[in-house]
Amino acid sequence: SQTIHQWPATLVQPVGSPLSLECTVEGTSNPNLYWYRQAAGRGLQLLFYSVGIGQISSEVPQNLSASRPQDRQFILSSKKLLLSDSGFYLCAWSVLSTLRFFGQGTRLTVV
Amino acid sequence: AQKVTQAQTEISVVEKEDVTLDCVYETRDTTYYLFWYKQPPSGELVFLIRRNSFDEQNEISGRYSWNFQKSTSSFNFTITASQVVDSAVYFCALSEASTGNQFYFGTGTSLTVIP
Repeated sequence: SQTIHQWPATLVQPVGSPLSLECTVEGTSNPNLYWYRQAAGRGLQLLFYSVGIGQISSEVPQNLSASRPQDRQFILSSKKLLLSDSGFYLCAWSVLSTLRFFGQGTRLTVV
Repeated sequence: AQKVTQAQTEISVVEKEDVTLDCVYETRDTTYYLFWYKQPPSGELVFLIRRNSFDEQNEISGRYSWNFQKSTSSFNFTITASQVVDSAVYFCALSEASTGNQFYFGTGTSLTVIP
């Protein structure tokens, strides 16, 4: 079956600390994967997407980076978190040009 | 410019009432796709429907129905006989054939169904 896993669910990190959020998918190969951020009261902002291993497209200049070390793994990172990085982060997987599956989300609070 | 506009920020209805969530989009592509998603309090988005630009037929799925009108660039979502479980944030989204992997989301409409 096709599933997507994202962790952790919640995270509280101090300013200046590193970040690593992980997303993995099952039941497919060569998926298109996405990282979105949802700020309070706002829609989803696309951060990165990847169409294959090592292929990352960045949509918004920011303090974050993404990597695709394996076909079904997508990682969102930061070397030094800022207060403005707080938000709800979602990993997503598109199937046949549709954002079909989403991870459970990670609520990140930078303090 | 905002490609997807959901003007209704919050809506409250009493259980069993019908409710329509509005979505207006903007695109120059002739081929595009429209979507609706539900985000319950748990946070995980749930895909509800996809509509292709060349298919203007309205769709009904149980208590849910969608009205796609190219003439007004709208893709509205109606819930009939609302239930408490329908309480969630609903997002409309657009993708364009020319930009492929870009999915543009509206800011969402928070629906509260009061028992």
